[in-house]
Amino acid sequence: EVQLVESGGDFVQPGGSLRLSCAASGFTFSNYEMNWVRQAPGKGPEWLSYINVNGATTFYADSVKGRFTISRDNARNSLYLQMSSLRVEDTALYYCARDEGDIKADKWGQGTLVTVSS
Amino acid sequence: DTVMTQSPLSLSVTPGQPASISCKSSQSLLHSDGKTYLYWYLQKPGQSPQLLIYKVSSRLSGVPSRFSGSGSGTDFTLRISRVEAEDVGVYYCMQALHLITFGQGTRLEI
Repeated sequence: EVQLVESGGDFVQPGGSLRLSCAASGFTFSNYEMNWVRQAPGKGPEWLSYINVNGATTFYADSVKGRFTISRDNARNSLYLQMSSLRVEDTALYYCARDEGDIKADKWGQGTLVTVSS
Repeated sequence: DTVMTQSPLSLSVTPGQPASISCKSSQSLLHSDGKTYLYWYLQKPGQSPQLLIYKVSSRLSGVPSRFSGSGSGTDFTLRISRVEAEDVGVYYCMQALHLITFGQGTRLEI
């Protein structure tokens, strides 16, 4: 069974940093492109970042460009999101999601909660 | 940014009746490869979004045949032929041609 399990969410003050992880199982992680998507309370999903299979190509939404960094470790079947200069508006449930070629975000984790507040 | 606009924002449907959701994009979603990168997701209460339809009209494996997608260019529609109680939730369209953006969601109630 395909599983994506996010972790690392926490309560952090504005300006702080956090590293999220996504552990993949049930499929050959190194063959799949991956994304981070977040959802603020009561809002719709917001795509944040994409990484290709070997980590050489990444894209970011303008809202996080320069502050967030996506990476992956195929040997550990893991996806990461390094977040810095966090703002109150970064408060959200953060999901990792898998792409299967043209089939975007076909599998999602359950999310990890990030709360940014003073 | 490509803006995705859904309508209506909420929908109340009697079980067994059809439902339709519109999604309009601010730019064409037709790629030079001939594919159109428009997707539909359902987020059931308390759950993560789940993919229903990819590239306008292809149903993901396991998605009931009562769900169908259509459209081209900038105008797209998700139809549910006969709504069931388990279809309750928020439906989102998403484009993946110009990075990725989601619509604001359509809440379906029974």
